[in-house]
Amino acid sequence: GAVVSQHPSWVICKSGTSVKIECRSLDFQATTMFWYRQFPKQSLMLMATSNEGSKATYEQGVEKDKFLINHASLTLSTLTVTSAHPEDSSFYICSAPRDNGITDTQYFGPGTRLTVL
Amino acid sequence: AQSVTQPDIHITVSEGASLELRCNYSYGATPYLFWYVQSPGQGLQLLLKYFSGDTLVQGIKGFEAEFKRSQSSFNLRKPSVHWSDAAEYFCAVGDDTDKLIFGTGTRLQVFP
Repeated sequence: GAVVSQHPSWVICKSGTSVKIECRSLDFQATTMFWYRQFPKQSLMLMATSNEGSKATYEQGVEKDKFLINHASLTLSTLTVTSAHPEDSSFYICSAPRDNGITDTQYFGPGTRLTVL
Repeated sequence: AQSVTQPDIHITVSEGASLELRCNYSYGATPYLFWYVQSPGQGLQLLLKYFSGDTLVQGIKGFEAEFKRSQSSFNLRKPSVHWSDAAEYFCAVGDDTDKLIFGTGTRLQVFP
């Protein structure tokens, strides 16, 4: 099946620093990728849609200047958490849709756990 | 507003017992419905999906789900649970934009 990877798997950083998370589709191209955030024991909340070659589309309430998204190629999207604070600590998950002929199927990365001290 | 409700936060079953995980949705049109499973250290894995047609959908690992429009439900079932099925299960609703709205999840615990 299709594989989506994320790097790093976990990261610990100091408050005020920036952290970059990579999402790669390993065996297919994705013009669109999605970034989700998951708090402990809670659901996944869609943060933004990453669009290859154009600006990301952010969901209501998500600060675009804080969560910078770059879709550099058809297999790579990056999420940069700028000036991270403890409240940004969370589990970040990306997904990429793959056309299976009739409909798209979303493939999810394993997630990145961010802890901000 | 679109939403997904999973009423059961935590379910415990014995290995070999049957399982039903509940999912209710609120959506303006005919939704695309999904069940995903999340295991520690692994990405969400698609168990099954419903777009149209037969309302009883078969998925991987012996799971099935039935779309009931009148009840706005898409419950997940398995006739005999295995210990390896212990995980977090998410119901989700989507459309042709590929965006997904997830329920809060149900944690399944399996006792031997």
